[in-house]
Amino acid sequence: SAVISQKPSRDICQRGTSLTIQCQVDSQVTMMFWYRQQPGQSLTLIATANQGSEATYESGFVIDKFPISRPNLTFSTLTVSNMSPEDSSIYLCSVGTLSEQYFGPGTRLTVT
Amino acid sequence: AQKITQTQPGMFVQEKEAVTLDCTYDTSDQSYGLFWYKQPSSGEMIFLIYQGSYDEQNATEGRYSLNFQKARKSANLVISASQLGDSAMYFCAMTVYNQGGKLIFGQGTELSVKP
Repeated sequence: SAVISQKPSRDICQRGTSLTIQCQVDSQVTMMFWYRQQPGQSLTLIATANQGSEATYESGFVIDKFPISRPNLTFSTLTVSNMSPEDSSIYLCSVGTLSEQYFGPGTRLTVT
Repeated sequence: AQKITQTQPGMFVQEKEAVTLDCTYDTSDQSYGLFWYKQPSSGEMIFLIYQGSYDEQNATEGRYSLNFQKARKSANLVISASQLGDSAMYFCAMTVYNQGGKLIFGQGTELSVKP
């Protein structure tokens, strides 16, 4: 299984600002995913980030709001831009194959 | 489109007893995988068990087993000998192989284990 770390683990941000979340994996992986979990809700996929190509966003998520970088096979960042209180969520990255998918510890974001 | 349904928002079980968490799925694809994750209050997502659509035997991992009934499109999680530390949210998820591995999640079931 992959060991995944995320930074920061939590943050409190002012509305209108941006936060960049980092995801680091201890091995090279092709597929990397970013999910959002709003309070009391299930997980929703934001985008798929494969190295060497543009991220693919799910319906309801746009690049201007959630720009993603994937500079190599072990690292990715997700930026939450121009934040509002509705962006308060846990953001999780995950990696894996079709039969094994593991999650990072998550970034708990509160927007005031 | 794919869909995962978990109809039990909350469940209670007595310590040391077995419990079944329900999950039904909907897909027209033949190649897919089913996952169960545990999410304690800390928020981390802990992988429990995986079942592929072509696997003929039910998956087992320690105290966890997946009761896979393909014709009924169900993938229930069975936890044997419940422990207090099993109290958490449990999510069923599905991936369709031709969609690159992204997971679709159910709404989750909150399990509480009573001493």
